[in-house]
Amino acid sequence: QQQVKQSPQSLIVQKGGISIINCAYENTAFDYFPWYQQFPGKGPALLIAIRPDVSEKKEGRFTISFNKSAKQFSLHIMDSQPGDSATYFCAASMDSGGSNYKLTFGKGTLLTVNP
Amino acid sequence: DAGITQSPRHKVTETGTPVTLRCHQTENHRYMYWYRQDPGHGLRLIHYSYGVKDTDKGEVSDGYSVSRSKTEDFLLTLESATSSQTSVYFCAIRAGGETQYFGPGTRLLVL
Repeated sequence: QQQVKQSPQSLIVQKGGISIINCAYENTAFDYFPWYQQFPGKGPALLIAIRPDVSEKKEGRFTISFNKSAKQFSLHIMDSQPGDSATYFCAASMDSGGSNYKLTFGKGTLLTVNP
Repeated sequence: DAGITQSPRHKVTETGTPVTLRCHQTENHRYMYWYRQDPGHGLRLIHYSYGVKDTDKGEVSDGYSVSRSKTEDFLLTLESATSSQTSVYFCAIRAGGETQYFGPGTRLLVL
């Protein structure tokens, strides 16, 4: 059972464009939604995270939009740069019921930004 | 890198042999996790620990065991490696709130 569905699997964007990656979740108990960025040969690194009490969070060129009623959240990368080329993972966890903060990950999106 | 090291970084082994991967942290975090990463599957939780000698299973625990005899070390053991366990293995720690930070990974090839 895949609890977090991520799309698209891959994305090609021109430099300066907007990259958009979407995730949908099933478990309404999730209350923490991070995005991770992973470069080849490296471990995933936390990029930005949101909780369901806000609809949007922005950090520099990266924005998370959150729609609680639709159980969806998305990552927007503005003014995409070739250095943003990486694999992006969405995830979700819940801080309740002894969940031990376990993260459930989407399957990832390979982003390529062409110069 | 949140003070996380993994060893070895690369390993090639043969089917049926035991393999132990080590995760070491320097900041005394209580929670530690082992994930495997495979193409098309993202990151999947194998086992996790919420304290010394306190461990539990994750999503894909079959064929794996773990041990945590001291706060800083979390060991993942493949008792008898199989080709399906060829993967990249990541250790993570929980450091504040619900954020997890990942180590650099171990690339394991089982022939």
